[in-house]
Amino acid sequence: ILNVEQSPQSLHVQEGDSTNFTCSFPSSNFYALHWYRWETAKSPEALFVMTLNGDEKKKGRISATLNTKEGYSYLYIKGSQPEDSATYLCAFQKSGGSQGNLIFGKGTKLSVKP
Amino acid sequence: ETGVTQSPTHLIKTRGQQVTLRCSSQSGHNTVSWYQQALGQGPQFIFQYYREEENGRGNFPPRFSGLQFPNYSSELNVNALELDDSALYLCASSRRTEIRNEQYFGPGTRLTVT
Repeated sequence: ILNVEQSPQSLHVQEGDSTNFTCSFPSSNFYALHWYRWETAKSPEALFVMTLNGDEKKKGRISATLNTKEGYSYLYIKGSQPEDSATYLCAFQKSGGSQGNLIFGKGTKLSVKP
Repeated sequence: ETGVTQSPTHLIKTRGQQVTLRCSSQSGHNTVSWYQQALGQGPQFIFQYYREEENGRGNFPPRFSGLQFPNYSSELNVNALELDDSALYLCASSRRTEIRNEQYFGPGTRLTVT
């Protein structure tokens, strides 16, 4: 059974704080790692697709790193804002699997207080 | 928003009944995947459709079936509903040119089975 773990489960920070959370995934048969941002009552929004060991990607104040050899990815948010409040999901894509078969973690729920 | 729509938004059914959920993919996308998110869990892959055929399936019984139409929209059908089928059902569309492509999710259909 392939397991994707995210930590922490939830996080409460003040506006302006920087924060980070972790996604752990199997280090074998790696193909890609996806990060999504999911606000309540909306569609999950794709943030990053990461494929190479050592990848670093950035979108505004949000960035992510990838270590495929040890099976983890970090998501960083610099200077959190209330609009960053959402659940952040990571999903592992296995080599040899069908395109759609993403294996998701349970997510990290971030709350940013003004 | 992603351009992926799902209907209905909410649905209440009785155990043993059948249900059909619908998904319209984003323009230019030819692949649709379906996921089930039970309470407290990450989304779980049900199956994927490409060129109107099932192209990969997760660990779900045959009473979960689907269709894809020539315009790439899709349906998820669940027969003989069980209480454990209560969940949020998400569909995601993508282009099959590159399998690491981002998947674009709809807002989901909340199914309650009583």
